[in-house]
Amino acid sequence: GAGVSQSPSNKVTEKGKDVELRCDPISGHTALYWYRQSLGQGLEFLIYFQGNSAPDKSGLPSDRFSAERTGGSVSTLTIQRTQQEDSAVYLCASSPLGLETSEQYFGPGTRLTVT
Amino acid sequence: EDKVVQSPLSLVVHEGDTVTLNCSYEVTNFRSLLWYKQEKKAPTFLFMLTSSGIEKKSGRLSSILDKKELFSILNITATQTGDSAVYLCAVVGNKLVFGAGTILRVKS
Repeated sequence: GAGVSQSPSNKVTEKGKDVELRCDPISGHTALYWYRQSLGQGLEFLIYFQGNSAPDKSGLPSDRFSAERTGGSVSTLTIQRTQQEDSAVYLCASSPLGLETSEQYFGPGTRLTVT
Repeated sequence: EDKVVQSPLSLVVHEGDTVTLNCSYEVTNFRSLLWYKQEKKAPTFLFMLTSSGIEKKSGRLSSILDKKELFSILNITATQTGDSAVYLCAVVGNKLVFGAGTILRVKS
């Protein structure tokens, strides 16, 4: 079946512009996760959705970052007034149940470059 | 603060060698430990471990968890060049925390 998909695959934007990244999880997966991976760094957890609610937003690096999930499915990660340090690969993952089961399936990622 | 530490940071071996990757953790309310392989962009799932002392095995890869000493190891036997990747360990407690990864390079 279809895996996790993300769009766009690559995004180049100018500093100060807003960007929206989209994640389509595997159908039926209730949990959805956003991560960021900067060049040569490990995965940085950003936010986790259980259904449409986000029990853990602790990883969002600043108030320029927000995320929402509608209909228990698609999620968008929005970065306002982008900065060069926001350049990274943004990965989305989904899992059938919540954090406790934790086998996550990752999407291919969106490479964001802020110039 | 929850943390996951992987070692070594990087490793270069020859085909056929056996490698052992380490993951130690300190987390609140431990629930599970996961291993992933990341070759290009997206990590792929390898193992989920929840109980001490029970080895999980998949082909040449195996992993075990020690909840008393708070660590896990990932073993790869008879390594191949296709095993070259970053191996990530993640721990689920009250939060999900990833280690920085171990970069494995297998030379032919």
